[in-house]
Amino acid sequence: EPEVTQTPSHQVTQMGQEVILRCVPISNHLYFYWYRQILGQKVEFLVSFYNNEISEKSEIFDDQFSVERPDGSNFTLKIRSTKLEDSAMYFCASSEVRDSGYTFGSGTRLTVV
Amino acid sequence: GESVGLHLPTLSVQEGDNSIINCAYSNSASDYFIWYKQESGKGPQFIIDIRSNMDKRQGQRVTVLLNKTVKHLSLQIAATQPGDSAVYFCALASPGYSTLTFGKGTMLLVSP
Repeated sequence: EPEVTQTPSHQVTQMGQEVILRCVPISNHLYFYWYRQILGQKVEFLVSFYNNEISEKSEIFDDQFSVERPDGSNFTLKIRSTKLEDSAMYFCASSEVRDSGYTFGSGTRLTVV
Repeated sequence: GESVGLHLPTLSVQEGDNSIINCAYSNSASDYFIWYKQESGKGPQFIIDIRSNMDKRQGQRVTVLLNKTVKHLSLQIAATQPGDSAVYFCALASPGYSTLTFGKGTMLLVSP
């Protein structure tokens, strides 16, 4: 069964450092998403991406965040200057159409120290 | 804005019992609803979905019921197994939006 692949599975970084979280969406999917889940809390939407541009973003997705599809397979989330409160599980998801069939990756656990 | 809530944070059942997990939502414009299962250290795994033009949908051992009048969604798991132990989230989307709003999650604990 096709799956969304995320790397690394766990990233530890110092406060103020930049991190890039990587995702390989399902190959025929056109819509890409990042969500995050702070420990013990619900999954929160960050951003959606379609046709090489951001289509929607939440208020969490401020200027320190950016997304990119650098080639035909990868989808990345960059956090420019990490803060302690950025510690969370970050999930990438993709879908073939806009409003159904979301498939989530296994996540990257980001720990900011 | 939208909010999604769950009635019970933890549900403990015996193996073989039927489980019911509930979810309330506030945005009456929501038209697409999904139940996800999340095991420890993993991402949300799709279980079943339903659109607002339906009130019931069945899958393998699972049934989703949608009551739009009271804005309530439930997931029924028949003959619950230890492997069903996980956190279950409801999520919803509204027309014109590709984003999902998730509930807080209910932990299902199945005892053998």
